Amino acid sequence: ETGVTQTPRHLVMGMTNKKSLKCEQHLGHNAMYWYKQSAKKPLELMFVYSLEERVENNSVPSRFSPECPNSSHLFLHLHTLQPEDSALYLCASSPGTGTKGYTFGSGTRLTVV
Amino acid sequence: AQKVTQAQTEISVVEKEDVTLDCVYETRDTTYYLFWYKQPPSGELVFLIRRNSFDEQNEISGRYSWNFQKSTSSFNFTITASQVVDSAVYFCALSEATWSYQKVTFGTGTKLQVIP
Repeated sequence: ETGVTQTPRHLVMGMTNKKSLKCEQHLGHNAMYWYKQSAKKPLELMFVYSLEERVENNSVPSRFSPECPNSSHLFLHLHTLQPEDSALYLCASSPGTGTKGYTFGSGTRLTVV
Repeated sequence: AQKVTQAQTEISVVEKEDVTLDCVYETRDTTYYLFWYKQPPSGELVFLIRRNSFDEQNEISGRYSWNFQKSTSSFNFTITASQVVDSAVYFCALSEATWSYQKVTFGTGTKLQVIP
């Protein structure tokens, strides 16, 4: 069982839909992250939550709205997306600085039609 | 601004060959961390190693070894006697040293194909 669970694995949505991506970790990590992975581009950091507080927001359009209700759960709410938002969305967690890197989820493959 | 460059987009090797994946980074920080991650076809990135900027000792873990050279801002990754299961995209990454979370910048990745 992976330490970080993302649902759904695949999502197809129209440009007028509203959907949410969910991420869950029970590793006791205090930081959680959303990354976007598009073809031929580096992973892009979108949001960082540390101790349930948003500490980074990397110029992400407002059609992406994160939510961190507690230290184990992270959501990414999506609305009025564009086709160029189609990508693999990866959630990760980490124990702060620690001695290890991120633990990633398997990602949500999002297609906007 | 931090930057990670992986100049090799794709590499193909025959099984049992050794292969080195290159990584060059840029940062103005004196304290930072370097990482390698593996992304197999299943999609989930797997953490391989983290090194801090004060530790330039090379590291070996089984068939994997890492060469950190601060003088050339490089953190190269060598797989010895490659196997088909090593086929994946490998990402080099760089992180600022913050006290409560890791802000990681990734390279574009090197796709490694090991041919049986």
